[in-house]
Amino acid sequence: SQTIHQWPATLVQPVGSPLSLECTVEGTSNPNLYWYRQAAGRGLQLLFYSVGIGQISSEVPQNLSASRPQDRQFILSSKKLLLSDSGFYLCAWSGIMGQGFNTIYFGEGSWLTVV
Amino acid sequence: SQQGEEDPQALSIQEGENATMNCSYKTSINNLQWYRQNSGRGLVHLILIRSNEREKHSGRLRVTLDTSKKSSSLLITASRAADTASYFCATASGTALIFGKGTTLSVSS
Repeated sequence: SQTIHQWPATLVQPVGSPLSLECTVEGTSNPNLYWYRQAAGRGLQLLFYSVGIGQISSEVPQNLSASRPQDRQFILSSKKLLLSDSGFYLCAWSGIMGQGFNTIYFGEGSWLTVV
Repeated sequence: SQQGEEDPQALSIQEGENATMNCSYKTSINNLQWYRQNSGRGLVHLILIRSNEREKHSGRLRVTLDTSKKSSSLLITASRAADTASYFCATASGTALIFGKGTTLSVSS
């Protein structure tokens, strides 16, 4: 069965410090991968998605970047964190959208507090 | 882009009562999904309803879809304290799912 791992679970970082959140998927190949952010009490905002190694699409301009160095690995990064980057970050995977694989499976999330 | 908007934002009920949440979206869809999120956790897929379906059941969940009104509803029957969570509808936009802001359901015993 497929599993998704995301870490670290919680992170407190000072303003201006770098960030690296990592996500890996097991039990499937060539998944679509996603990073979502959820501000406190808010809905989910799609940040990035990837349909293959090295292929990253960004949904919103921001202080963050994403990379997919391996088929089942997705990394969210920042060179210098802002206070506004605080939130709950969720990694997710799916099969190929629109081809009978429409469900997204989420990791447990990473709480980021920028201080 | 397509986006679901849930209504109400918050709902408080007693155990045993039914809970109804609504979702409206803007453009045509192939399917609509509902997800659940326990506090501080990832989202979990509950049910998917296709555009050619009007109603779908899964256990105590009942989902309806009205494509003419671009709306869907999620009914949880005989609610339990364990149903306390946030519920989101989601529609596909290209390669990704776009989520609404969710309905926070509190079920008290």
